[in-house]
Amino acid sequence: GEDVEQSLFLSVREGDSSVINCTYTDSSSTYLYWYKQEPGAGLQLLTYIFSNMDMKQDQRLTVLLNKKDKHLSLRIADTQTGDSAIYFCAESPSGRRALTFGSGTRLQVQP
Amino acid sequence: DGGITQSPKYLFRKEGQNVTLSCEQNLNHDAMYWYRQDPGQGLRLIYYSQIVNDFQKGDIAEGYSVSREKKESFPLTVTSAQKNPTAFYLCASRPSQGPAPLTEAFFGQGTRLTVV
Repeated sequence: GEDVEQSLFLSVREGDSSVINCTYTDSSSTYLYWYKQEPGAGLQLLTYIFSNMDMKQDQRLTVLLNKKDKHLSLRIADTQTGDSAIYFCAESPSGRRALTFGSGTRLQVQP
Repeated sequence: DGGITQSPKYLFRKEGQNVTLSCEQNLNHDAMYWYRQDPGQGLRLIYYSQIVNDFQKGDIAEGYSVSREKKESFPLTVTSAQKNPTAFYLCASRPSQGPAPLTEAFFGQGTRLTVV
């Protein structure tokens, strides 16, 4: 995950919005992804965005992509305690047959 | 139900021993992957396979070996040459092979390996 960077920790209150940020380095990535990992479990795909899009909204989730700055963000509206997890962003560089993951951001939601 | 099954969930190994982690999928996916997860370091790619009887090294393949004799199965062996094997291991698969774009990767529930 050395090419994809995320902050390690974010704490929010229940009902607030959460914004998790990610920077990536490979501008050839066609898709960028957000995964969620609950304790002791595998990763679950939350959403993804095609590289020619600036924004994608899916219910409480909003993904923003700034290709110029290679910056990706995930906004979770009305954050709930069930949203507490580790969130990973991932890129799909061309010429590489596997995703490259960031180090993950641990989201803690306080009641 | 279709999915990816990793077993066992917890595994303990004595130093100097080889151990094999199982990964089975019934999703009819061509590509399968092994990742290692350490705290604060995200997921690092160990090995991947795009098709039966073929596999490629990832970023941290030293001390690991794999086989892909069947489409459904992609076992990972952690050998005694792996100096720091204690970690959480995740297996994943995805449906399509060929050039990008990649499609969704499905993950198993992971195996936590501890060297004692």
